[in-house]
Order: sequence, then C-alpha cells, then structure tokens
Amino acid sequence: EVQLVESGGGLVQPGGSLRLSCAASGFIISDHYMDWVRQAPGKGLEWVGRTRNKPKRYTTEYAASVKGRFTISRDDSKNSLYLQMNSLRMEDTAVYYCARITYSRSNAFDLWGQGTMVTVSS
Amino acid sequence: DIQMTQSPSSLSASVGDRVTITCRASQSISTYLNWYQQKPGKVPELLIYGASSLQSGAPSRFSGGGSGTDFTLTISSLQPEDFATYYCQQSYTAVFSFGPGTKVDIK
Repeated sequence: EVQLVESGGGLVQPGGSLRLSCAASGFIISDHYMDWVRQAPGKGLEWVGRTRNKPKRYTTEYAASVKGRFTISRDDSKNSLYLQMNSLRMEDTAVYYCARITYSRSNAFDLWGQGTMVTVSS
Repeated sequence: DIQMTQSPSSLSASVGDRVTITCRASQSISTYLNWYQQKPGKVPELLIYGASSLQSGAPSRFSGGGSGTDFTLTISSLQPEDFATYYCQQSYTAVFSFGPGTKVDIK
C-alpha cells in the first residue's frame, strides 16, 4: 500500500525541540520532492517546507515563519523524511502532515500522511 | 511570496446545486494551481491539479478552470459527501502557499 506515516508528535514546552518522522511505503521517496504542511486547530493549511531529491542535491526550502528554527532532512535508504523543530513557539501548535510532490501532477501534493499533533504549551 | 485568496470564505448550498469557488493569486502562476478537499477530522485530498486536470479517483462533477491569477473550482451537482472545506494552492514558486479555504455546508 502506498502511504506516508508520521510519528513523533507530542507536548513540548515553549523553547523546546521535537523531531518528527515520516515513513514512506509503497513508493520510493528518492523519486520525489517531499514537503511538510501544518494545520493549527480550526485553521487552514500552511506550507512548512521541502526537501528536494538527490538530483537537486537535497536542497531545502522553508516558510518564513519557520526559517532558522526548523530543519527538514531525509534518509532515502530508510525511505523516510524528518522535521527537526527547535525554539518552538505556541503558534507552532498544529497537526503536521508530510506530503509527496509529483511533477506530473503540476507539483501537487498527491499523497498525504495521516498527520501527527504537536502541542507547544507550558 | 505569492498570496492566495479565496471567495467566498463559506457558503451554504443544497444537494444538487451547482457551486463555484474562486481563487486568486497575487501574481501570475500560469496553471500551477491545485485544489484540495478536506472533510472534518480528515486528511486533505487532491481534487484538481494544473488548474483543470481531475485527479485519478476524484468524481467527474468536480472541474477546475482558469490561468494566470484567477481560478475556479466548480461542483456541477453538489452531493452529500461534498460538504467539506476546499483549499487552493499554488505550486508555481519554490515557496508554496495555500488559500484560506472555503467551507461548503448544508443549507
């Protein structure tokens, strides 16, 4: 089955760190750019960032709201994606989704994980 | 960065109604515009990519149009399972962005 499964969410204090993981199955992430998208409770979708694949030297992009605090990485040998979140703020509270980009579909997100909840609170 | 807006922010409609949602980009994005449906408590799902291409498995009552800065998502005959929030998203630049969403509920 083609799927993405996130893990690592939880409760963390402001200023703390958390690392999310996203395990892919049924396809090879090395063929794709992979992104993180988040959704605060009751709010809309917010793009977080991207890791490109090996031909693009695994370069990354980030939303201004997380740049300098979040780091996206990948391990193609484990078919997995990661989101290291540092200096967390209350406004980072959200469900975090990993998502696959497919070039042939106008770079749309054609596969999403089920999401993992991150709560930043004291 | 490109800003995306949607109108209306919410609408009430009846089963069988024709519904159109509009999305506007702050600058031209060609046809790099995608639409997602999200039901309460569920994961977003891709409906339309490239402004007008129907994602495999999506019902044919959904259609998309537009190019440049103005886009539409149309549901030709609203069904009970279509009550959800719809998001547009641009994939033209390296930094993606979503519209704020349009909630479609039952009149």
